[in-house]
Amino acid sequence: GENVEQHPSTLSVQEGDSAVIKCTYSDSASNYFPWYKQELGKRPQLIIDIRSNVGEKKDQRIAVTLNKTAKHFSLHITETQPEDSAVYFCAATPGAQKLVFGQGTRLTINP
Amino acid sequence: DTEVTQTPKHLVMGMTNKKSLKCEQHMGHRAMYWYKQKAKKPPELMFVYSYEKLSINESVPSRFSPECPNSSLLNLHLHALQPEDSALYLCASSQGLGNTIYFGEGSWLTVV
Repeated sequence: GENVEQHPSTLSVQEGDSAVIKCTYSDSASNYFPWYKQELGKRPQLIIDIRSNVGEKKDQRIAVTLNKTAKHFSLHITETQPEDSAVYFCAATPGAQKLVFGQGTRLTINP
Repeated sequence: DTEVTQTPKHLVMGMTNKKSLKCEQHMGHRAMYWYKQKAKKPPELMFVYSYEKLSINESVPSRFSPECPNSSLLNLHLHALQPEDSALYLCASSQGLGNTIYFGEGSWLTVV
């Protein structure tokens, strides 16, 4: 089955700097890659997603890149702010049936 | 509107109790999901319903019993749970399989 690996598990950056989180997947049939942000005690919220026919997608300070050949995708957050502090999960969808999540990255923005 | 509503928000139950978690969405989505999330772990898929039919059961113990009464509602019936079943239970929905999944706020379950 699909296996999604996410790195790093924790990331600490200074406010205003950029943060990058990387994920790799194993199933070449996966074609949809969402990113979720989960604040403490809250639900996972979709922040951006990308489909396999697109290489990059951007939404204000957030961008996602996808390399299908290498089977990896990354989340880029620029000009980080304290409210960006949360756990971020990447996911992949093998066979359009379900999401397989990475283990999560705890991002801390230091003022 | 991407609202998935779950009740109750918190539930404490004994190991011999029977209780239910409820989920509702009015977005016209045809796929609904139950996920379980333990602390510091990603959500773990339990069940998927598509067009009110069970599509995936991720080998979940029978003490968890899902039910989809109609396209807007999803229940999770709980019976004879164990303390290790204590977790955040997340309901989610999507327009169809393979579409964007939206999560509800979750039900925090404690089994004592």
